[in-house]
Amino acid sequence: GAGVSQTPSNKVTEKGKYVELRCDPISGHTALYWYRQSLGQGPEFLIYFQGTGAADDSGLPNDRFFAVRPEGSVSTLKIQRTERGDSAVYLCASSPGTDQETQYFGPGTRLLVL
Amino acid sequence: GENVEQHPSTLSVQEGDSAVIKCTYSDSASNYFPWYKQELGKGPQLIIDIRSNVGEKKDQRIAVTLNKTAKHFSLHITETQPEDSAVYFCAAQYSSASKIIFGSGTRLSIRP
Repeated sequence: GAGVSQTPSNKVTEKGKYVELRCDPISGHTALYWYRQSLGQGPEFLIYFQGTGAADDSGLPNDRFFAVRPEGSVSTLKIQRTERGDSAVYLCASSPGTDQETQYFGPGTRLLVL
Repeated sequence: GENVEQHPSTLSVQEGDSAVIKCTYSDSASNYFPWYKQELGKGPQLIIDIRSNVGEKKDQRIAVTLNKTAKHFSLHITETQPEDSAVYFCAAQYSSASKIIFGSGTRLSIRP
């Protein structure tokens, strides 16, 4: 079946603008995760959803970052007033939903803030 | 806080030789250790994992070992092939949370 998909694959924006990044998890997966990967580093956790609710948002760097998953499937990561330091690859992963289950990653969205 | 250290950062081996990547973790509550392979422009792909109640696991040319006492775990790739060239990440997942803590990655290059 289809894996995790993310759109857009690339996004270029200007400092101060608002962006939305979308994630479509594997069908039936109740858990969804967002990570951010800077160049040459490992992914860093941002937020985790179990169903529609954010179970752990401890990785969000500040209040400019927000994520939603209104119907328990597709999720959107929203970044307000983008800064150059927000430039990174934003990865989404999903898992069946039980703690410690394998997480399956999408291809990521490459965000560049000019 | 939670931390995963990974070494080496880069590794170059002759095709056919073995490659070893080593990691340590800080939180003794960790009990799940996945390894991911990431190719250029793609997301991480799980290649093997190990749970804390197991000391070793093997899948064809890939094996992982875990020493819970020392908080060390390692990835071993035997008979390396050109398609093994990629960045490899070790990771640890904690029993009380679902987030994964990743190491900083090892760029593996296979010389023909």
